[in-house]
Amino acid sequence: DQQVKQNSPSLSVQEGRISILNCDYTNSMFDYFLWYKKYPAEGPTFLISISSIKDKNEDGRFTVFLNKSAKHLSLHIVPSQPGDSAVYFCAATYSGAGSYQLTFGKGTKLSVIP
Amino acid sequence: DSGVTQTPKHLITATGQRVTLRCSPRSGDLSVYWYQQSLDQGLQFLIQYYNGEERAKGNILERFSAQQFPDLHSELNLSSLELGDSALYFCASSARGDTIYFGEGSWLTVV
Repeated sequence: DQQVKQNSPSLSVQEGRISILNCDYTNSMFDYFLWYKKYPAEGPTFLISISSIKDKNEDGRFTVFLNKSAKHLSLHIVPSQPGDSAVYFCAATYSGAGSYQLTFGKGTKLSVIP
Repeated sequence: DSGVTQTPKHLITATGQRVTLRCSPRSGDLSVYWYQQSLDQGLQFLIQYYNGEERAKGNILERFSAQQFPDLHSELNLSSLELGDSALYFCASSARGDTIYFGEGSWLTVV
């Protein structure tokens, strides 16, 4: 049973436009969510996170939105740049775990077209 | 560069063999995590160590084991290897209250 789902395996966006990557989760105990970016042959790189006490967190061009009632989060990238082309993973954990036992989605491959 | 170092980067071995993957965490990080990324399963949490002690276990097979040494480096031992064990194995580390940072991974191919 997949507790974290990224239903779009891929997404193509024009440079300068907004990229929206979506993630759904089923485990109500999850209270901390993270987005990672991964280039080929590299490890995942932390992008941005959000705690369940918030519904929005911004860091530069990246904004994560959390809708707890819908168990849905999204990552917005504005404006999108060709260097943003990578696989994006959504991950979740819960503070009761006492550690970063992250449950990952399967990723969405973002292609930003110049 | 995340500061997490993994060796070897690539490894090819035969079924039934045993391999050891090594990880050096970021300086000062006490927690080490192992994750497995396979084509169909995505990134899966295997095990966590904190300051030498096992802290949490995920989907780790009995044929796999890990340990964290006094200098905080960690090793993941994979034995009786099967074709299905072919995957990218990531180590990650974290400091208390911080997020986790991943190494570049060790590609294991079992033939």
